[in-house]
Amino acid sequence: RKEVEQDPGPFNVPEGATVAFNCTYSNSASQSFFWYRQDCRKEPKLLMSVYSSGNEDGRFTAQLNRASQYISLLIRDSKLSDSATYLCVVTYNQGGKLIFGQGTELSVKP
Amino acid sequence: DTGVSQDPRHKITKRGQNVTFRCDPISEHNRLYWYRQTLGQGPEFLTYFQNEAQLEKSRLLSDRFSAERPKGSFSTLEIQRTEQGDSAMYLCASSLQGDINEQFFGPGTRLTVL
Repeated sequence: RKEVEQDPGPFNVPEGATVAFNCTYSNSASQSFFWYRQDCRKEPKLLMSVYSSGNEDGRFTAQLNRASQYISLLIRDSKLSDSATYLCVVTYNQGGKLIFGQGTELSVKP
Repeated sequence: DTGVSQDPRHKITKRGQNVTFRCDPISEHNRLYWYRQTLGQGPEFLTYFQNEAQLEKSRLLSDRFSAERPKGSFSTLEIQRTEQGDSAMYLCASSLQGDINEQFFGPGTRLTVL
């Protein structure tokens, strides 16, 4: 079983749609949680950290459920520019290695 | 450009040859990481350094792989006796100790082993 699991998609949605990505992690000792975004043939970039209380950044909302070992990302009012692969990431200790899920591909269509 | 840089961006080699990749981190970052990414997968951790010290190595890093960061600045990743299964994107990232864990990635070196 992979340490971080995501639905690979692809998710094909129209502009303006709301889309949700889910992620589960297997190691209960995981300490920090993130969503990274990776455009086609580009490097991953941090989208947002995920906190237990939930956090929002504009159209993006991230949630963490430690009891269920579940992380989510909600994108509201999807834009064409949101088309990318979204990577769920956990770490076991601050400054250590990042453990990535396989990524969920999002394609936003006009 | 003050981001992470990697060289070369592309490398095509024949099976059995040795290859070496270089990574230059963001200048004030003391942590440097190597990852490998294959098509349709997320990046997989290979190894990381804090200054010159190699603190962790993945079991993915077979004895054909070696990484160095001799002066705590740039790093090299060498693959000896390349195999077709080594074909992948090799990503380098750096971060600042004490930061919230944001790792900044370079553009990667795409390796193709024929």
